Amino acid sequence: AQSVTQLGSHVSVSEGALVLLRCNYSSSVPPYLFWYVQYPNQGLQLLLKYTSAATLVKGINGFEAEFKKSETSFHLTKPSAHMSDAAEYFCAVSDLSGTASKLTFGTGTRLQVTL
Amino acid sequence: EAGVTQFPSHSVIEKGQTVTLRCDPISGHDNLYWYRRVMGKEIKFLLHFVKESKQDESGMPNNRFLAERTGGTYSTLKVQPAELEDSGVYFCASSPWDRVYNEQFFGPGTRLTVL
Repeated sequence: AQSVTQLGSHVSVSEGALVLLRCNYSSSVPPYLFWYVQYPNQGLQLLLKYTSAATLVKGINGFEAEFKKSETSFHLTKPSAHMSDAAEYFCAVSDLSGTASKLTFGTGTRLQVTL
Repeated sequence: EAGVTQFPSHSVIEKGQTVTLRCDPISGHDNLYWYRRVMGKEIKFLLHFVKESKQDESGMPNNRFLAERTGGTYSTLKVQPAELEDSGVYFCASSPWDRVYNEQFFGPGTRLTVL
């Protein structure tokens, strides 16, 4: 069975500061990993995905994540936070092995950006 | 291209009543998924359709939940009779059949409150 752990249900950063949202996963097979973001009153939007190619993955809005197999981590970072980054972020893993499959999510991290 | 749409956006019902949620996937997407998020917890998989067939319904909580996808287009999720613990946000997602990396496109969700 797969699982995802997101450390910190709430993270607060100042505008312009580094954003670091943590995600650790557990998977018995090589995982596909995703970060989704949910803005208020909207659906989940894909930020970025790791699919066994490059370990450093760049996504939309300046976010990136690094897959570290030895640490079973896929932390999300952004060098400089913007007020518009305030949202809830979800890490997810798929046990995809060539066919479409369900996503297993973490509990989410709500990012607050302050002036 | 229209995204995934869900109806209604909110529903408030009393325990014992019946509610039907609807999801319209992106046109041409064969894969359709239902997920649920109970307040404060992770987003959990409910079931997966490929066209009109149920591929995986391992996440369905019990037989009070019935999902259908007639004609392989829109899907409905009926809860009958609703219980208090059914409250939460129900998300629908879709993806193309040929999308190997399982990028799922999510709708805005239906917030269900059972009183």
